[in-house]
Amino acid sequence: SAVISQKPSRDICQRGTSLTIQCQVDSQVTMMFWYRQQPGQSLTLIATANQGSEATYESGFVIDKFPISRPNLTFSTLTVSNMSPEDSSIYLCSTSSGAQETQYFGPGTRLLVL
Amino acid sequence: DAKTTQPPSMDCAEGRAANLPCNHSTISGNEYVYWYRQIHSQGPQYIIHGLKNNETNEMASLIITEDRKSSTLILPHATLRDTAVYYCIAQKTSYDKVIFGPGTSLSVIP
Repeated sequence: SAVISQKPSRDICQRGTSLTIQCQVDSQVTMMFWYRQQPGQSLTLIATANQGSEATYESGFVIDKFPISRPNLTFSTLTVSNMSPEDSSIYLCSTSSGAQETQYFGPGTRLLVL
Repeated sequence: DAKTTQPPSMDCAEGRAANLPCNHSTISGNEYVYWYRQIHSQGPQYIIHGLKNNETNEMASLIITEDRKSSTLILPHATLRDTAVYYCIAQKTSYDKVIFGPGTSLSVIP
């Protein structure tokens, strides 16, 4: 299994600023994923982050807006840059403990942009 | 990855079995059926997964049709705490990215 924590749990930010969200896993993992969940919507995958390589972004998401770091096998960050009210969402990270195991999700970071 | 379709919402009386259907007619032979749920304001939680055999764990049972084109998640004795959005996902391994559909919003009614 994997236990995931995220910081901050919530934040209120001004438009035009940036916020970095941290994701910490209690074990070493290969793949980490970042999702966005807009109000009342399902989860949308932003990018996949492997340690030691550039993150792979899904259609509609770009590195300039959502830069991701993956410095080691237990940690990743997602930055939401130059924020606008449309970025108000829950941001979640997830990982897997094995190919035939399940994916585990963090508790999410609730972001409100004013 | 195969696309799945689920009813948008369902109600279930407390204490009764909740049967949540999922269609995955384009599932490939090496894709598993995974079920997750998301209780309000929490991250998604794994429930169960299977390839072609029926599966049961402490949370639920998963019934997969012989042709693997559909499945049913069964919560045998639904409680109010089972009120959540339930997602049916088809994926080859848990290393694969999870593409979430809208899911089924289950309301357990007292």
